[in-house]
Amino acid sequence: GAVVSQHPSRVICKSGTSVKIECRSLDFQATTMFWYRQFPKQSLMLMATSNEGSKATYEQGVEKDKFLINHASLTLSTLTVTSAHPEDSSFYICSAQKTGGNTIYFGEGSWLTVV
Amino acid sequence: GNSVTQMEGPVTLSEEAFLTINCTYTATGYPSLFWYVQYPGEGLQLLLKATKADDKGSNKGFEATYRKETTSFHLEKGSVQVSDSAVYFCALGDNYGQNFVFGPGTRLSVLP
Repeated sequence: GAVVSQHPSRVICKSGTSVKIECRSLDFQATTMFWYRQFPKQSLMLMATSNEGSKATYEQGVEKDKFLINHASLTLSTLTVTSAHPEDSSFYICSAQKTGGNTIYFGEGSWLTVV
Repeated sequence: GNSVTQMEGPVTLSEEAFLTINCTYTATGYPSLFWYVQYPGEGLQLLLKATKADDKGSNKGFEATYRKETTSFHLEKGSVQVSDSAVYFCALGDNYGQNFVFGPGTRLSVLP
């Protein structure tokens, strides 16, 4: 079946630094990828939708200058948390929609801890 | 806006016990309803889905029926196994596979 891989699965960074999370569709092309965030005991919340070759669409309340999304190819989207703060510590998960189809495939998620 | 509520966990059951994880939703229009499962160290996987009222989704012994009158999509399994231990997410979305709204997830632990 289709596989979406995220890297790293866990990362600890210092406050004020930037960290990049990659989301790759390993065996299919994905025109559209989605980034979610989940705080403890809360729902997965959509942060942004990225389309290959164009700017990402951010959900209300998500700072686009803080959460930089790049979807430069049909198999890779990256989320960069810039100037990270402890409150950015969360579980980030991506999903990819196979080009031309409706099915969504999720990555395994990335745990970010900012100290 | 759309929202999904599901029972808080963790849920701990003995092997072969009956499982119910409640899920209710609020939505405009007629969304599709989904259950996703996340096993340790893996990504979310689609477990089952239903696209319209009274549809029943089923997979791997799990079932859920789209109940429009009660705005519910409860997940059930008659006899759980240790291998069912995972986090289960209820979600709604459109028929194009987008605009997902997830519940907070329910962690299930099945003991031998």
